[in-house]
Amino acid sequence: QQPVQSPQAVILREGEDAVINCSSSKALYSVHWYRQKHGEAPVFLMILLKGGEQKGHDKISASFNEKKQQSSLYLTASQLSYSGTYFCGTVGGGFKTIFGAGTRLFVKA
Amino acid sequence: SQTIHQWPATLVQPVGSPLSLECTVEGTSNPNLYWYRQAAGRGLQLLFYSVGIGQISSEVPQNLSASRPQDRQFILSSKKLLLSDSGFYLCAWSLTGYEQYFGPGTRLTVT
Repeated sequence: QQPVQSPQAVILREGEDAVINCSSSKALYSVHWYRQKHGEAPVFLMILLKGGEQKGHDKISASFNEKKQQSSLYLTASQLSYSGTYFCGTVGGGFKTIFGAGTRLFVKA
Repeated sequence: SQTIHQWPATLVQPVGSPLSLECTVEGTSNPNLYWYRQAAGRGLQLLFYSVGIGQISSEVPQNLSASRPQDRQFILSSKKLLLSDSGFYLCAWSLTGYEQYFGPGTRLTVT
């Protein structure tokens, strides 16, 4: 089942923070995050495998709440380069990944 | 290091024509391979995935098919394209089934 992402779109000014959420009605065993810039392929950001796990990558970090079946991506002090569409993914049966519909992030100068 | 190639980068084809998109991976062995399609402004739709040579799992019953003739080669085909087949086709590889690494994609326009 496809994870649900919220919000669908976010508009920020440079330096502002944003949170993107990913939730599932089924049990989540892992969550991965990707960013896709306009016209390009998605790029893997990070994966969270354990409940309570938190990871960071520059000023982008994520948390995973296994009990609540959700993950959140935090973008701190956003930069223009953060613009793009962010997807969360969860592993379904076998080796396939099911992606959320994506959250569009626009960072303005 | 691993590299994934896709070609062609762009393609314009008439309705009813055949299709063949190719994806190859370098620098790794026995990867899981995936084909996705992305309509304009939309999410990633998994079309096929493969865990080994000749092993194809289909996620979407359409006029598309996939083959994996070699360990690091994945081909997406169609005998007759439909207008609805237009989109951005992405190939990806993964060793674990978790993090996936995408190729540059093929932008297909069916006219």
